[in-house]
Amino acid sequence: DAGVIQSPRHEVTEMGQEVTLRCKPISGHDYLFWYRQTMMRGLELLIYFNNNVPIDDSGMPEDRFSAKMPNASFSTLKIQPSEPRDSAVYFCASSPAGAEPVNEQFFGPGTRLTVL
Amino acid sequence: GQNIDQPTEMTATEGAIVQINCTYQTSGFNGLFWYQQHAGEAPTFLSYNVLDGLEEKGRFSSFLSRSKGYSYLLLKELQMKDSASYLCAVMDSNYQLIWGAGTKLIIKP
Repeated sequence: DAGVIQSPRHEVTEMGQEVTLRCKPISGHDYLFWYRQTMMRGLELLIYFNNNVPIDDSGMPEDRFSAKMPNASFSTLKIQPSEPRDSAVYFCASSPAGAEPVNEQFFGPGTRLTVL
Repeated sequence: GQNIDQPTEMTATEGAIVQINCTYQTSGFNGLFWYQQHAGEAPTFLSYNVLDGLEEKGRFSSFLSRSKGYSYLLLKELQMKDSASYLCAVMDSNYQLIWGAGTKLIIKP
């Protein structure tokens, strides 16, 4: 398996622009997670899906952030409008249901976002 | 509130042993994970503990005491490639992972 795939790997944009990050989870995994990582706050869970349904979006910072999972093999995280404080590495992770150990998460390579 | 504490940074010598501690206070407990993250890369799974005791996996071992809210990751025969951040994460009663800030481990020759 190719593992979790994220695109783009790097994104540089200007404040106010829309940014869309993409993720393809490992085939057969039921859970998909979006994380943000910064030096100041470490790894933060933004939202996660189970079988394409959003379960908990309490980590989404504000209405500028939205996430969708239209099918089992694709998810997007959108920021509109983007701000400099959104600069971070965004990780997507997926996890199989019912596997041992419980909910081991497999991370994608991340998207490094810079908002100027 | 929920809290995971681990040292910010540690330094050790190649070939030696190092122990990275993690204490936690969470609403419920469904297991504790250790992940390794090299600079500029994604976290990768190292270990999972749900019962008290020591789990050994090659040069790495992880220990858990649920009554004390405490875990440690033990790395033996340190190699330069072990230089990385080590993240402790606890799965709470809602099966959500609560992440620590990570411990940056620096290995010196």
